[in-house]
Amino acid sequence: KAGVTQTPRYLIKTRGQQVTLSCSPISGHRSVSWYQQTPGQGLQFLFEYFSETQRNKGNFPGRFSGRQFSNSRSEMNVSTLELGDSALYLCASSAGGAGWTNEKLFFGSGTQLSVL
Amino acid sequence: GEDVEQSLFLSVREGDSSVINCTYTDSSSTYLYWYKQEPGAGLQLLTYIFSNMDMKQDQRLTVLLNKKDKHLSLRIADTQTGDSAIYFCAESMPTGNQFYFGTGTSLTVIP
Repeated sequence: KAGVTQTPRYLIKTRGQQVTLSCSPISGHRSVSWYQQTPGQGLQFLFEYFSETQRNKGNFPGRFSGRQFSNSRSEMNVSTLELGDSALYLCASSAGGAGWTNEKLFFGSGTQLSVL
Repeated sequence: GEDVEQSLFLSVREGDSSVINCTYTDSSSTYLYWYKQEPGAGLQLLTYIFSNMDMKQDQRLTVLLNKKDKHLSLRIADTQTGDSAIYFCAESMPTGNQFYFGTGTSLTVIP
């Protein structure tokens, strides 16, 4: 069974630009979550999508957005990039059934974004 | 649910036991997890414990949960050099699929 695939692996952008990151979940998984990982802040929850709907959202500004397609693949977009957006962006998939509370997350290797 | 704390670094000798500690603040968490992150990789689930349990053993791993003190620990017996990685604790909320992760503990195993 293929794991969670994130593309691209590395990305370099300049301030003010926008970026789109992609995540393909494990086959059969319907939930995709996004996390931002930085050395100072650890892992911060961005949002979670289930069946093409955003189900949970963390405390990030509106510049961070996402969507999920009917095949469960997800994209995350960051507009008007700032230097502080430099981070490793991790995507995680899970079965995600509504009301389940023991969800095991399976992570991709991440996209390393550098904003210059 | 957002304040999950861990010590940043731990160093042990190969063959010794490692104990990684985690404190959390949200008593409504349902499950607590331990994840491992190796360099250049995403996080890998190691083990988890339901919030009404106080101990779980899984081969070399022992998880202890003190719900009253909101303290979680992971003990790795007979630590090997391959265990060198960053370890994250995480708690999940009753709504499901929203996790709060600790800051991560970097474990270094000295041969």
